[in-house]
Amino acid sequence: SAVISQKPSRDICQRGTSLTIQCQVDSQVTMMFWYRQQPGQSLTLIATANQGSEATYESGFVIDKFPISRPNLTFSTLTVSNMSPEDSSIYLCSVEDPDREAYNEQFFGPGTRLTVL
Amino acid sequence: RKEVEQDPGPFNVPEGATVAFNCTYSNSASQSFFWYRQDCRKEPKLLMSVYSSGNEDGRFTAQLNRASQYISLLIRDSKLSDSATYLCVAPSTDSWGKLQFGAGTQVVVTP
Repeated sequence: SAVISQKPSRDICQRGTSLTIQCQVDSQVTMMFWYRQQPGQSLTLIATANQGSEATYESGFVIDKFPISRPNLTFSTLTVSNMSPEDSSIYLCSVEDPDREAYNEQFFGPGTRLTVL
Repeated sequence: RKEVEQDPGPFNVPEGATVAFNCTYSNSASQSFFWYRQDCRKEPKLLMSVYSSGNEDGRFTAQLNRASQYISLLIRDSKLSDSATYLCVAPSTDSWGKLQFGAGTQVVVTP
């Protein structure tokens, strides 16, 4: 499976500021996904990022709050804008195994643990 | 109704025992399912994929019951290292590639 890294691994931010999270994959992948996992909850999909097109956002998530970039097939960023304490969460990127894209198997980066004060 | 529902547990299991738990799904058209394992403060890791009636990998067995729309995970000869949250995952009805995650079942294996 692909090796995925995320930066930063954790951060503590002040409300009203923005944080950009990077996701790097060691192989070219078509689809990259951004999830949020709030404390004690399961994963919620924020958006799907495809290279060369606008990200597709899920209900409840908007581009102004969570702008996403996908400049190439190995990299994506998610920005959490104008943060509030409710944005405190783990943010995870995932990709489908490029050799098994038909099977919908996703593999996750290590996550970014964000705390907003 | 949620697309994927799980018993949150915790399931307290003596070391060496067998534990099984289910997950129900709402989309009858789903063809593939997944069990992920998530350790505390870590990312989910794919444990098993289920594409037909079931799958077995060592001490882990997943079974799919399409008629009743549930998937089960059975862990035999439980190890202390099996303590984790197990997430049931099914493809969403909305769009290709999108997955729906259950809330997870917590398993605690005790000495």
